Amino acid sequence: SAVISQKPSRDICQRGTSLTIQCQVDSQVTMMFWYRQQPGQSLTLIATANQGSEATYESGFVIDKFPISRPNLTFSTLTVSNMSPEDSSIYLCSVVPGLAGGSREQFFGPGTRLTVL
Amino acid sequence: AQSVTQLDSQVPVFEEAPVELRCNYSSSVSVYLFWYVQYPNQGLQLLLKYLSGSTLVKGINGFEAEFNKSQTSFHLRKPSVHISDTAEYFCEDYQLIWGAGTKLIIKP
Repeated sequence: SAVISQKPSRDICQRGTSLTIQCQVDSQVTMMFWYRQQPGQSLTLIATANQGSEATYESGFVIDKFPISRPNLTFSTLTVSNMSPEDSSIYLCSVVPGLAGGSREQFFGPGTRLTVL
Repeated sequence: AQSVTQLDSQVPVFEEAPVELRCNYSSSVSVYLFWYVQYPNQGLQLLLKYLSGSTLVKGINGFEAEFNKSQTSFHLRKPSVHISDTAEYFCEDYQLIWGAGTKLIIKP
């Protein structure tokens, strides 16, 4: 298993600003992911955070808008840049425990609830 | 493109009645399938998983699911629900593709 913390837990931001969300895991993991969950909806994968290389983004998400850092095997950040009200959402970090990631079972952080005014 | 379909956005059921939440997947290759639960104002947690082997898998809180390759389904069941099962349930495949979610509403 894995225990994941996220900071901040929630924030209210002004249009045009940026917010960086941190994700910390209590053990080394290879696979780490960032999701967006809009109110009442399912999860949408934003990107896979790769340690030591650029993140892999899903269709519809770009690095300029959602830059991701992964400096080591226990930590990652997601920045939401130049925010608009459409970015209001819950942002989730998840990991697959271990370094092999065989089962693909994910453990989730508590989420960051972002409101953009 | 691969997809995971949860046809029911909401399932209302009386307390102590059985329930089935439906999930269909589209992958034509070997799959891993997962059900996750999100209780009100809480984070997501794994309910159960199918990796290989027995097609009937048991999870936490009395839930079970059956993998059916011919029908490309992985339906979640519980023989008798409790008010504490009120939550949203998500089906996911190993390619990080998620169903739209099903809200389980327990009627007293």
